Amino acid sequence: DIVMTQSPDSLAVSLGERATINCKSSQSVLYSSDNKNYLAWYQQKPGQPPKLLIYWASTRESGVPDRFSGSGSGTDFTLTISSLQAEDVAVYYCQQYYTTPLRTFGPGTKVDIK
Amino acid sequence: EVQLVESGGGLVKPGGSLRLSCAASGFTFRNAWMSWVRQASGRGLEWVGRIKSKTDGGTTDYAAPVKGRFTISRDDSRNTLFLQMHSLKTEDTALYYCATDYQYNSNWGQGTLVTVSS
Repeated sequence: DIVMTQSPDSLAVSLGERATINCKSSQSVLYSSDNKNYLAWYQQKPGQPPKLLIYWASTRESGVPDRFSGSGSGTDFTLTISSLQAEDVAVYYCQQYYTTPLRTFGPGTKVDIK
Repeated sequence: EVQLVESGGGLVKPGGSLRLSCAASGFTFRNAWMSWVRQASGRGLEWVGRIKSKTDGGTTDYAAPVKGRFTISRDDSRNTLFLQMHSLKTEDTALYYCATDYQYNSNWGQGTLVTVSS
């Protein structure tokens, strides 16, 4: 099974500053036949279900603000919030779907306001 | 607007059974692949299983911890997804979400809580 790890476990960022979350997979999630990274990012606010932010590692879901961006390839990925807003306080999860149907999530990174 | 509404959660004793439902609206349910994902309190997300659309075979796949105990099914005439759970264990205690499934999970319900305790 592919194991997903995230760092840091939590971070506190000042409003308007950049937040960077890292995700690492135990093996590559880049599918050679289509050159796509099978990696998604979700945001989960307290008391709410997860919300899809990014898929194929860097494609923003419709309606997601452009301050959210995803990057990386192979085994190392990053979610960046370019200018943190109060409403971005949440836990962020990465998910690999390379081994679909089996998908695995990272343990989550909690983002707070400093 | 896509809506997914789970129901059927509750308190059940270890070894017991429970059936969860997920009522879908706002999209063509019969064409959708659907997943169940669970989240223990204060913990991360765990994929439980998936069912394909009938046109794609209607087959199911399960995570190892639930295989042989849980069954996913669907009633396209009622736009409803089900999760039948048997031989429940305390470690199955979690909030259970249904979600649309296109490899990644685009839309999620609010979840229904399952508590397995004596």
